[in-house]
Amino acid sequence: DVQMTQSPSSLSASVGDGVTISCQASQDIGTSLNWYQIKPRNAPKLLIYDASLLASGVPSRFSGRGSGTHFTLTITSLQPEDVATYHCQQYDNLPLTFGGGTKVDTK
Amino acid sequence: QVHLQESGPGLVKPSETVSLTCTVSGGSMGNYYWSWMRQSPGKELEWIGFIHWSGSVNYNPSFESRVTISLETSKNQISLKLHSVTAADTAIYYCARGDDSSGYGDHWGQGTLVTVSS
Repeated sequence: DVQMTQSPSSLSASVGDGVTISCQASQDIGTSLNWYQIKPRNAPKLLIYDASLLASGVPSRFSGRGSGTHFTLTITSLQPEDVATYHCQQYDNLPLTFGGGTKVDTK
Repeated sequence: QVHLQESGPGLVKPSETVSLTCTVSGGSMGNYYWSWMRQSPGKELEWIGFIHWSGSVNYNPSFESRVTISLETSKNQISLKLHSVTAADTAIYYCARGDDSSGYGDHWGQGTLVTVSS
């Protein structure tokens, strides 16, 4: 199975700050990577697919980069509604696998 | 806008089978993969398996011996049966829709909590 390692596991930033989350794959997955946002009692939301493509309706302050084994999700100006847990997921190989999640909070 | 809603018994006894249903509204089931995922307390999200609208299925080897995913297109539903459950199967179970270009998860339901306890 492809192991996905996210860092940090949690972070706290001020509203308006830029935030970057990393995701490392245990093998080359090309650009077959998604980023999801999960809030308690809400449906997980696809933010980024194919490593860098913005999903429909997602604000442009979210962006994704990377290929191969190293990927990042950036929020350019953190908003209060961005408080959530963020997960990466690879889909280059079955079984699909997820990172452990990064909990983002505001100071 | 497509909407997915999971439903299930909430509480299941150890060794029993948990049966969950995902009802799809506001969109077609055709040409998509329909996945089940779960997240146990303090653990990573896990992919259980998916079924294509054509009926072909793929399961995570970790679950393959005790899971069945099926489609009921006339009811716009996807079902999950997980057999011989233990406390380790306590989790929020999610269904999701996608295709191979969107990583199989462009729309998700909000999840249903399953607790395994006697």
